[in-house]
Amino acid sequence: AQSVSQHNHHVILSEAASLELGCNYSYGGTVNLFWYVQYPGQHLQLLLKYFSGDPLVKGIKGFEAEFIKSKFSFNLRKPSVQWSDTAEYFCAVMQGGGFKTIFGAGTRLFVKA
Amino acid sequence: NAGVTQTPKFQVLKTGQSMTLQCAQDMNHNSMYWYRQDPGMGLRLIYYSASEGTTDKGEVPNGYNVSRLNKREFSLRLESAAPSQTSVYFCASSGTSGRTLASEQYFGPGTRLTVT
Repeated sequence: AQSVSQHNHHVILSEAASLELGCNYSYGGTVNLFWYVQYPGQHLQLLLKYFSGDPLVKGIKGFEAEFIKSKFSFNLRKPSVQWSDTAEYFCAVMQGGGFKTIFGAGTRLFVKA
Repeated sequence: NAGVTQTPKFQVLKTGQSMTLQCAQDMNHNSMYWYRQDPGMGLRLIYYSASEGTTDKGEVPNGYNVSRLNKREFSLRLESAAPSQTSVYFCASSGTSGRTLASEQYFGPGTRLTVT
């Protein structure tokens, strides 16, 4: 069965530190990849997505992610985090041509001011 | 443009009671989804509807039923609530993007359900 693994459940960083959140998935076919963010008290919203083309995708608020097909990975990065990035981040994978999206367990990021 | 709306926002049920969670979207999306979110488990897909008139099971469908009432509305019903169904429930919708059948999802604000 398709699965999504996020390596870190909790991450604590100081402001201006760099961020990398790992995401690996198990499906071997064509995939569409997403990172969603859930700020405290809010619902999920899209950070960025990859469907095809350049494997390095840029999203909102300075986030980017790199799709490495050979490693089945889609890691999220930000060079310098801010206190306002405190949130829970979810990696999600949709089978290409399908509808079902499988989410990872999420990573809670806390940024110290 | 309200996006995805859900009612109610909060609900407390006793074991064995039934209820229906309502969801509506005004973005003319074809696909709609119901998820539950539990601590440490992320979002798990309960049911989805690829288009009006169709519904399919997701990862955790047991104990739930759904109805795609029309293109806008997709409801989730708990026939006999159990404490294990205590969770936060999110509805989402998605349109198409280029050649893909479904694109990114837009989420509602969630329903926090407690079953005692």
